[in-house]
Amino acid sequence: LAKTTQPISMDSYEGQEVNITCSHNNIATNDYITWYQQFPSQGPRFIIQGYKTKVTNEVASLFIPADRKSSTLSLPRVSLSDTAVYYCLVGDDFGNEKLTFGTGTRLTIIP
Amino acid sequence: KAGVTQTPRYLIKTRGQQVTLSCSPISGHRSVSWYQQTPGQGLQFLFEYFSETQRNKGNFPGRFSGRQFSNSRSEMNVSTLELGDSALYLCASSLSGEDKLFFGEGSRLTVL
Repeated sequence: LAKTTQPISMDSYEGQEVNITCSHNNIATNDYITWYQQFPSQGPRFIIQGYKTKVTNEVASLFIPADRKSSTLSLPRVSLSDTAVYYCLVGDDFGNEKLTFGTGTRLTIIP
Repeated sequence: KAGVTQTPRYLIKTRGQQVTLSCSPISGHRSVSWYQQTPGQGLQFLFEYFSETQRNKGNFPGRFSGRQFSNSRSEMNVSTLELGDSALYLCASSLSGEDKLFFGEGSRLTVL
């Protein structure tokens, strides 16, 4: 399984763009990269998933360089409600990613 | 479409007791996985069931067990509870072979 490394915490002001980078040097050919968001006392919520280049949805963008050894979750114009823990997972179609969520990145948005 | 439902949401037990937690996945989802979340250890994988069979298992003692029924609903059981078992237990469901997980709100267990 590809091990992931993320910053433990980040602070940002409201209205700014936030980029959270995840390192996954041992990513396998079949692995996808998936990000989840978790609020206190709630289950994680799927944000975005990608395999290579760039993926964008209504809440975030995911940038994946050609070597796929890292990925960056980009949150545009964050608000206080984006304060949460963000997890990066790497796994293949067989759900092996389920084995570890890591410690995640605690993002705090400052008014 | 209803989300993942976990019951009970909160419960208090004493050391030595046992507990059973229930998880109803999203309709059509055949995979159910369980996680333990504590402040110190983060989110740790317990086990995953698919079509009533345990497909993956995390590094937890045998006191932690689970099962899945033919309707995909799942239960997990913890026997001989210890203080360290106090945690938020999360259940997630997914379609077979997919890695997009849908989580419930969890069952918060306190062991006194």
